[in-house]
Amino acid sequence: QAVLTQPPSVSAAPGQKVTISCSGTSSNIEFNSVSWYQHLPGSAPKLLIFDNSQRPSGIPDRFSGSKSGTSATLDIAGVQSGDEADYYCGTWDTSLNIVWVFGGGTKLTVL
Amino acid sequence: EVLLVESGGGLVQPGGSLRLSCVASGFIFNSYSMNWVRRAPGKGLEWISYVSSSSNTIYYADSVRGRFTISRDNAKNSLFLEMNSLRAEDTAVYYCAKYQTGATSFDHWGQGTLVTVSS
Repeated sequence: QAVLTQPPSVSAAPGQKVTISCSGTSSNIEFNSVSWYQHLPGSAPKLLIFDNSQRPSGIPDRFSGSKSGTSATLDIAGVQSGDEADYYCGTWDTSLNIVWVFGGGTKLTVL
Repeated sequence: EVLLVESGGGLVQPGGSLRLSCVASGFIFNSYSMNWVRRAPGKGLEWISYVSSSSNTIYYADSVRGRFTISRDNAKNSLFLEMNSLRAEDTAVYYCAKYQTGATSFDHWGQGTLVTVSS
């Protein structure tokens, strides 16, 4: 069971907005920056958001992130068929040993 | 252009060993921390291990601590993962990922190498 909790799946029609949540604790999200990744099996994962809300160059502004307390959120506006993939949040966890933790992943289906 | 190329995957019997490699190019390798991340069939991403730029700091996931060893050779722009006492649940695609310290994230990833643990 993943340390960070994400919904297993979300769906949206093309053009709609989708929100993916990531819930953690004071040992991870609350005091550490959150990043978000897009992954299609068979390809390399891609960084979408770093430092909670920053986009790397080349990532469209349709992708946005935010963090509040022990939770983080990824918003995808104007969903496109090419966005159909698995999405993961991640951050450091310092509860026992220092480890990086990912959420369980959310499968986005474009209807 | 940043490029990370993993190799060394394959089929290994339970209890066996394997050594993965990741060759980096397009950035100053000895200035960046590196990680290994895996994805098992039907499962999500799982972080495995972290090594700092000078190898002074190393972290492992509980699932592999004591069995896997991360290392790097900065002269050869290479990252390694020595895997021992392999189990069926270690079957996965293994990715090396460059760590962006200032951005607390994995900003570049390789295409991965498949490790299958089966008799």
